Amino acid sequence: KNQVEQSPQSLIILEGKNCTLQCNYTVSPFSNLRWYKQDTGRGPVSLTIMTFSENTKSNGRYTATLDADTKQSSLHITASQLSDSASYICVGRIKAAGNKLTFGGGTRVLVKP
Amino acid sequence: GAGVSQSPSNKVTEKGKDVELRCDPISGHTALYWYRQSLGQGLEFLIYFQGNSAPDKSGLPSDRFSAERTGGSVSTLTIQRTQQEDSAVYLCASSFQSGGGGEQFFGPGTRLTVL
Repeated sequence: KNQVEQSPQSLIILEGKNCTLQCNYTVSPFSNLRWYKQDTGRGPVSLTIMTFSENTKSNGRYTATLDADTKQSSLHITASQLSDSASYICVGRIKAAGNKLTFGGGTRVLVKP
Repeated sequence: GAGVSQSPSNKVTEKGKDVELRCDPISGHTALYWYRQSLGQGLEFLIYFQGNSAPDKSGLPSDRFSAERTGGSVSTLTIQRTQQEDSAVYLCASSFQSGGGGEQFFGPGTRLTVL
Protein backbone atom coordinates (compact mmCIF):
# COMPACT_ATOMS: atom_id res chain seq x y z
CA LYS A 1 0.00 0.00 0.00
CA ASN A 2 1.39 3.38 -0.98
CA GLN A 3 2.22 5.51 2.02
CA VAL A 4 1.07 8.65 0.21
CA GLU A 5 -2.34 8.54 -1.47
CA GLN A 6 -3.69 11.31 -3.68
CA SER A 7 -7.16 12.07 -4.91
CA PRO A 8 -8.68 12.53 -7.34
CA GLN A 9 -6.53 10.77 -9.93
CA SER A 10 -7.59 13.31 -12.52
CA LEU A 11 -9.56 16.52 -12.65
CA ILE A 12 -10.98 18.73 -15.39
CA ILE A 13 -11.79 22.34 -14.53
CA LEU A 14 -12.72 25.44 -16.46
CA GLU A 15 -10.26 28.29 -16.72
CA GLY A 16 -10.75 30.77 -13.89
CA LYS A 17 -12.25 28.24 -11.48
CA ASN A 18 -10.70 27.01 -8.24
CA CYS A 19 -9.89 23.44 -7.33
CA THR A 20 -8.51 21.45 -4.41
CA LEU A 21 -6.33 18.37 -4.56
CA GLN A 22 -6.04 15.96 -1.65
CA CYS A 23 -3.14 14.02 -0.20
CA ASN A 24 -3.35 11.50 2.64
CA TYR A 25 -0.25 9.98 4.14
CA THR A 26 -0.11 6.98 6.43
CA VAL A 27 3.43 7.14 7.73
CA SER A 28 4.87 9.64 10.16
CA PRO A 29 6.85 11.31 11.47
CA PHE A 30 8.15 13.08 8.46
CA SER A 31 10.72 15.78 7.91
CA ASN A 32 8.67 17.69 5.40
CA LEU A 33 5.91 17.41 2.82
CA ARG A 34 6.15 19.00 -0.60
CA TRP A 35 3.82 19.53 -3.49
CA TYR A 36 5.42 19.28 -6.91
CA LYS A 37 4.07 20.32 -10.30
CA GLN A 38 5.06 18.18 -13.26
CA ASP A 39 4.33 19.50 -16.74
CA THR A 40 4.04 16.92 -19.50
CA GLY A 41 7.48 15.79 -20.59
CA ARG A 42 9.25 17.66 -17.82
CA GLY A 43 10.62 16.82 -14.41
CA PRO A 44 8.70 17.76 -11.25
CA VAL A 45 9.21 21.26 -9.84
CA SER A 46 8.63 22.08 -6.18
CA LEU A 47 5.69 24.37 -5.43
CA THR A 48 5.55 24.35 -1.64
CA ILE A 49 7.26 22.73 1.31
CA MET A 50 5.88 22.35 4.82
CA THR A 51 7.20 20.87 8.02
CA PHE A 52 4.82 19.11 10.37
CA SER A 53 4.54 22.28 12.49
CA GLU A 54 3.24 24.37 9.60
CA ASN A 55 -0.38 24.25 8.49
CA THR A 56 -0.43 26.47 5.44
CA LYS A 57 1.96 27.72 2.80
CA SER A 58 1.26 29.80 -0.29
CA ASN A 59 3.07 30.25 -3.57
CA GLY A 60 1.17 32.67 -5.77
CA ARG A 61 -2.15 31.08 -6.70
CA TYR A 62 -1.15 27.81 -5.04
CA THR A 63 -1.93 27.28 -1.35
CA ALA A 64 -1.01 24.10 0.48
CA THR A 65 -2.46 23.10 3.83
CA LEU A 66 -1.37 20.42 6.26
CA ASP A 67 -3.25 18.78 9.12
CA ALA A 68 -0.78 16.66 11.06
CA ASP A 69 -3.54 15.22 13.25
CA THR A 70 -5.50 13.74 10.35
CA LYS A 71 -2.37 13.26 8.20
CA GLN A 72 -3.91 15.13 5.33
CA SER A 73 -2.61 17.81 3.01
CA SER A 74 -4.36 19.71 0.29
CA LEU A 75 -3.29 21.91 -2.59
CA HIS A 76 -5.70 24.66 -3.58
CA ILE A 77 -5.38 26.31 -6.98
CA THR A 78 -7.08 29.68 -7.23
CA ALA A 79 -8.34 31.22 -10.48
CA SER A 80 -6.91 28.42 -12.60
CA GLN A 81 -5.05 29.18 -15.80
CA LEU A 82 -4.40 27.00 -18.84
CA SER A 83 -0.78 26.73 -17.74
CA ASP A 84 -1.92 24.98 -14.56
CA SER A 85 -2.62 21.87 -16.64
CA ALA A 86 -0.12 19.39 -15.22
CA SER A 87 0.29 16.57 -12.73
CA TYR A 88 0.52 17.58 -9.09
CA ILE A 89 2.47 15.28 -6.85
CA CYS A 90 2.44 15.10 -3.07
CA VAL A 91 5.81 14.00 -1.67
CA GLY A 92 6.76 13.13 1.88
CA ARG A 93 10.26 12.90 3.24
CA ILE A 94 9.73 10.24 5.87
CA LYS A 95 12.30 10.25 8.65
CA ALA A 96 12.23 6.47 8.97
CA ALA A 97 13.13 6.15 5.29
CA GLY A 98 16.27 8.22 5.58
CA ASN A 99 16.90 10.48 2.65
CA LYS A 100 14.41 8.91 0.28
CA LEU A 101 11.21 10.59 -0.75
CA THR A 102 7.83 8.87 -0.84
CA PHE A 103 5.74 9.98 -3.80
CA GLY A 104 2.01 9.98 -4.25
CA GLY A 105 0.61 8.83 -7.56
CA GLY A 106 -0.26 12.38 -8.55
CA THR A 107 -3.40 14.16 -9.68
CA ARG A 108 -3.59 15.07 -13.34
CA VAL A 109 -5.28 18.45 -13.78
CA LEU A 110 -6.61 19.67 -17.11
CA VAL A 111 -7.73 23.28 -17.34
CA LYS A 112 -10.07 23.95 -20.24
CA PRO A 113 -10.81 27.38 -21.72
CA GLY B 1 20.96 26.55 -18.33
CA ALA B 2 22.13 25.58 -14.88
CA GLY B 3 19.53 22.90 -14.23
CA VAL B 4 19.81 19.12 -14.17
CA SER B 5 20.22 17.72 -17.66
CA GLN B 6 19.64 14.20 -18.89
CA SER B 7 20.44 12.41 -22.11
CA PRO B 8 19.11 11.07 -24.28
CA SER B 9 15.63 12.54 -23.97
CA ASN B 10 14.17 9.50 -25.69
CA LYS B 11 15.57 6.02 -26.17
CA VAL B 12 13.98 3.17 -28.08
CA THR B 13 15.69 -0.19 -27.80
CA GLU B 14 15.04 -3.82 -28.48
CA LYS B 15 14.41 -6.33 -25.75
CA GLY B 16 17.67 -7.83 -24.53
CA LYS B 17 19.86 -4.85 -25.40
CA ASP B 18 21.78 -2.79 -22.86
CA VAL B 19 21.13 0.93 -22.41
CA GLU B 20 22.96 3.76 -20.67
CA LEU B 21 21.21 6.86 -19.41
CA ARG B 22 23.17 9.94 -18.41
CA CYS B 23 22.55 12.61 -15.79
CA ASP B 24 24.42 15.87 -15.32
CA PRO B 25 23.48 17.31 -11.93
CA ILE B 26 23.54 20.95 -10.92
CA SER B 27 27.11 22.02 -10.26
CA GLY B 28 27.95 21.83 -6.56
CA HIS B 29 25.12 19.48 -5.66
CA THR B 30 26.48 16.62 -3.61
CA ALA B 31 23.42 14.36 -3.67
CA LEU B 32 22.12 12.64 -6.81
CA TYR B 33 19.04 10.45 -7.17
CA TRP B 34 17.58 8.23 -9.86
CA TYR B 35 13.85 7.54 -10.08
CA ARG B 36 11.62 5.62 -12.44
CA GLN B 37 8.16 6.82 -13.43
CA SER B 38 5.95 4.30 -15.15
CA LEU B 39 2.87 5.40 -17.06
CA GLY B 40 0.22 6.58 -14.60
CA GLN B 41 2.36 5.61 -11.62
CA GLY B 42 4.15 7.58 -8.95
CA LEU B 43 7.89 8.02 -8.95
CA GLU B 44 9.83 4.99 -7.77
CA PHE B 45 13.17 5.48 -6.03
CA LEU B 46 16.04 3.58 -7.61
CA ILE B 47 19.39 4.71 -6.22
CA TYR B 48 20.95 7.59 -4.31
CA PHE B 49 24.51 8.94 -4.26
CA GLN B 50 25.83 11.27 -1.56
CA GLY B 51 29.36 12.57 -1.92
CA ASN B 52 31.93 9.82 -1.57
CA SER B 53 29.70 7.56 0.49
CA ALA B 54 28.57 4.17 -0.71
CA PRO B 55 25.39 4.60 -2.77
CA ASP B 56 22.00 3.54 -1.46
CA LYS B 57 20.99 0.91 -4.01
CA SER B 58 17.94 -0.32 -2.13
CA GLY B 59 15.51 0.74 -4.85
CA LEU B 60 17.11 -1.04 -7.79
CA PRO B 61 14.54 -3.59 -9.02
CA SER B 62 17.00 -6.23 -10.18
CA ASP B 63 20.68 -6.90 -10.74
CA ARG B 64 20.22 -5.81 -14.36
CA PHE B 65 20.19 -2.24 -13.05
CA SER B 66 23.34 -0.46 -11.96
CA ALA B 67 24.53 3.10 -11.66
CA GLU B 68 27.75 4.92 -11.09
CA ARG B 69 28.73 8.47 -10.41
CA THR B 70 32.16 9.49 -11.59
CA GLY B 71 34.08 12.27 -9.91
CA GLY B 72 31.11 13.17 -7.78
CA SER B 73 29.32 14.72 -10.73
CA VAL B 74 27.95 12.95 -13.81
CA SER B 75 26.00 9.76 -13.24
CA THR B 76 25.16 6.90 -15.59
CA LEU B 77 22.29 4.46 -15.07
CA THR B 78 22.81 1.20 -16.94
CA ILE B 79 20.12 -1.33 -17.66
CA GLN B 80 21.37 -4.64 -19.00
CA ARG B 81 19.31 -7.08 -21.04
CA THR B 82 16.35 -4.72 -21.14
CA GLN B 83 12.84 -6.08 -20.74
CA GLN B 84 9.56 -4.56 -21.87
CA GLU B 85 8.61 -3.82 -18.26
CA ASP B 86 11.65 -1.51 -18.07
CA SER B 87 9.80 0.95 -20.32
CA ALA B 88 9.31 4.11 -18.29
CA VAL B 89 10.60 7.63 -17.81
CA TYR B 90 13.83 7.67 -15.83
CA LEU B 91 14.27 10.86 -13.82
CA CYS B 92 17.41 12.14 -12.20
CA ALA B 93 17.46 14.70 -9.40
CA SER B 94 20.18 16.46 -7.46
CA SER B 95 20.22 18.41 -4.23
CA PHE B 96 22.68 20.55 -2.36
CA GLN B 97 22.15 18.71 0.88
CA SER B 98 20.96 15.23 1.54
CA GLY B 99 19.28 15.41 4.92
CA GLY B 100 16.32 17.39 6.18
CA GLY B 101 14.70 19.72 3.71
CA GLY B 102 17.16 19.80 0.84
CA GLU B 103 15.07 20.38 -2.25
CA GLN B 104 15.62 17.96 -5.09
CA PHE B 105 15.83 19.51 -8.54
CA PHE B 106 14.72 17.19 -11.29
CA GLY B 107 15.93 16.78 -14.81
CA PRO B 108 13.51 16.40 -17.74
CA GLY B 109 13.88 12.64 -17.77
CA THR B 110 14.74 10.01 -20.34
CA ARG B 111 11.79 8.17 -21.86
CA LEU B 112 12.84 4.57 -22.42
CA THR B 113 10.81 2.33 -24.68
CA VAL B 114 11.72 -1.35 -24.92
CA LEU B 115 10.20 -3.07 -27.93
